[in-house]
Amino acid sequence: QVQLQESGPGLVKPSGTLSLTCAVSGGSISSSNWWSWIRQPPGKGLEWIGEIYHSGSTNYNPSLKSRVTISVDKSKNQFSLKLSSVTAADTAVYYCARNWPVTMSFDIWGQGTMVTVSS
Amino acid sequence: EIVLTQSPGTLSLSPGERATLSCRASQSVSSSYLAWYQQKPGQAPRLLIYGASSRATGIPDRFSGSGSGTDFTLTISRLEPEDFAVYYCQQYGSSHPYTFGQGTKLEIK
Repeated sequence: QVQLQESGPGLVKPSGTLSLTCAVSGGSISSSNWWSWIRQPPGKGLEWIGEIYHSGSTNYNPSLKSRVTISVDKSKNQFSLKLSSVTAADTAVYYCARNWPVTMSFDIWGQGTMVTVSS
Repeated sequence: EIVLTQSPGTLSLSPGERATLSCRASQSVSSSYLAWYQQKPGQAPRLLIYGASSRATGIPDRFSGSGSGTDFTLTISRLEPEDFAVYYCQQYGSSHPYTFGQGTKLEIK
């Protein structure tokens, strides 16, 4: 049973860089799946940030592309998110999720981690 | 970018009633790539329906999905107390890979 667990600082200063990691357990990050980051501002809906394949190939949301970097560490079975130049608008619960091939849906999610951007 | 508009924003029903939630796309969406999720407070979303009409593993058969093109529907045949939550539709498209609707809150009347 694959499980995902996000980790990282819960508070980031404005103009700083948000950094989160998603640890994959119960399965290999090198399986035939893409892996995504999705966020949800308080009281609002879901926004897809980007995805990565174990080869290192990435796709990003065009609205965030200039500020986002997603990377993979196969040796640690994890993938990471960096979001630069953050503002209060980036305050959200950040989820990592597994993309389910063929269906292009998200079948496994982490529990989510709240990140607040504030000085 | 394909915009998904869900309606109603809030749906107030009683247990045992039938719920019909709508998801309308700004342009045609492949039925293969339309999904529905349920989210309860403080929890991550849970996949309910993929491919517009296929139930994910472990999802009760009171949940069903239908639709094609720009109009999709999630139906809950007889509401159970645990079904009151927020529901999101999601699509995949080649130009702007994944987008979600704004959600429908299903509340107890």
